[in-house]
Amino acid sequence: EPEVTQTPSHQVTQMGQEVILRCVPISNHLYFYWYRQILGQKVEFLVSFYNNEISEKSEIFDDQFSVERPDGSNFTLKIRSTKLEDSAMYFCASSEDAGSGYGYTFGSGTRLTVV
Amino acid sequence: LAKTTQPISMDSYEGQEVNITCSHNNIATNDYITWYQQFPSQGPRFIIQGYKTKVTNEVASLFIPADRKSSTLSLPRVSLSDTAVYYCLVGDGGSGGSYIPTFGRGTSLIVHP
Repeated sequence: EPEVTQTPSHQVTQMGQEVILRCVPISNHLYFYWYRQILGQKVEFLVSFYNNEISEKSEIFDDQFSVERPDGSNFTLKIRSTKLEDSAMYFCASSEDAGSGYGYTFGSGTRLTVV
Repeated sequence: LAKTTQPISMDSYEGQEVNITCSHNNIATNDYITWYQQFPSQGPRFIIQGYKTKVTNEVASLFIPADRKSSTLSLPRVSLSDTAVYYCLVGDGGSGGSYIPTFGRGTSLIVHP
C-alpha cells in the first residue's frame, strides 16, 4: 500500500531555531497538506498546497511557517523561528483529488520538541 | 462545514461488535461522511466513507439512515489493536472548492481483554 513518508520522526530544537520537516507524498497525488497535533489535543489543519501554491491555510499558519515543493517529490514545512508552543506532532497528508475526503493518506508524523 | 457530535469515549471487550454513532444534523446535500482512525503517535488513517444507506469494506461498515443526520460506524469483533481514536468527518469540496478534512475530538475506543 502506498505511503506518505515523513522525516525525521523526532526532532528536538532550541527555541528560536529554524526547522524543516520533510514529507514524500504518494507519487500520483496532487494535493498536499500539513496538520499538527499538540499533545492531547485535536488534529489541526495548517495548510493545503496544490499546483505549486498554497490553496488554503488556517490562522495557525502565520508568517513563521512556509511550505515548499522543492523538487517534485518532497514537500516541506519550514518553521522560521520556533517557539515552545510549536512543540507538537506534525502530519503530512496527500490526496489524489480534493473532494469529499476520500483517500487522504497521512504520514506517521514528525514529533517536534522545542526546548 | 457540518458540525459533528460523537461520544468522547467508549469501552468494549475483545470479540464484541462496536458501534460508534455520529450526529451531523446540518449535513448538506453534497456532503460525504468519512471516518478516520488514529493510533497514538500516528497519523489518522482513512477507514470508510459513505453518502447514504450502507457501505461495507474489509475493516468496517457504515450505516447512514435516510435523513443522513447521523451515521454509525460498526466494527465487527474488535480486538485489542482496535484501541484508537475514531473521527467522524462530514464535508465536500463544493463547487470549485477543495475539501479540508477537519477533525473534532473523536471517540476514544478502548478494547479490553
